[in-house]
Amino acid sequence: QKEVEQNSGPLSVPEGAIASLNCTYSDRVSQSFFWYRQYSGKSPELIMSIYSNGDKEDGRFTAQLNKASQYVSLLIRDSQPSDSATYLCAVGGDSGYSTLTFGKGTMLLVSP
Amino acid sequence: DADVTQTPRNRITKTGKRIMLECSQTKGHDRMYWYRQDPGLGLRLIYYSFDVKDINKGEISDGYSVSRQAQAKFSLSLESAIPNQTALYFCATSDPPGRQTSTDTQYFGPGTRLTVL
Repeated sequence: QKEVEQNSGPLSVPEGAIASLNCTYSDRVSQSFFWYRQYSGKSPELIMSIYSNGDKEDGRFTAQLNKASQYVSLLIRDSQPSDSATYLCAVGGDSGYSTLTFGKGTMLLVSP
Repeated sequence: DADVTQTPRNRITKTGKRIMLECSQTKGHDRMYWYRQDPGLGLRLIYYSFDVKDINKGEISDGYSVSRQAQAKFSLSLESAIPNQTALYFCATSDPPGRQTSTDTQYFGPGTRLTVL
């Protein structure tokens, strides 16, 4: 059984701070990694995808991947109240026929 | 117009009723998925289809069935609804690796909130 673990939170940060969200996964052969943002009652929205070790930056978001440690993180710089949401980590397998396994999500609260 | 649509958006039904949730997409993707989301349990895969002739069970398929009527349409049925099937249901789509720049990136519909009394 593939597992993706996230701290449920809530993670509370003040406006303007850096929010750090973490995710670990159990399947060592996983090859694709995604971060989704989900507002309450809404559908998940893709923020970032990452496939190689290291950092990937997109605007205020940076995804970090360490396959040796089976760890992926999402940093949100200059956090805004509109970033308050649940962030889902999703992990794909090593085959083109694999599906995604989602973590249960971390709730982020950004206070003004 | 939205790329992935789901109907109905909200449904209240009674135990024992047959319910169909429908998903349509205009993204031209081959792959379609059905998930349910429950508080504290995250997204769980019910069924998925990699093309029109392919249907696969996911993690929690018991009590559900699906039909892939066309590349763009994927329906989820609850043959005899029970209260513990009350949840938020999402349809998602993706393309096979290599066709797009992102591997297995899934795009979600707006969801159907189903309540079984």
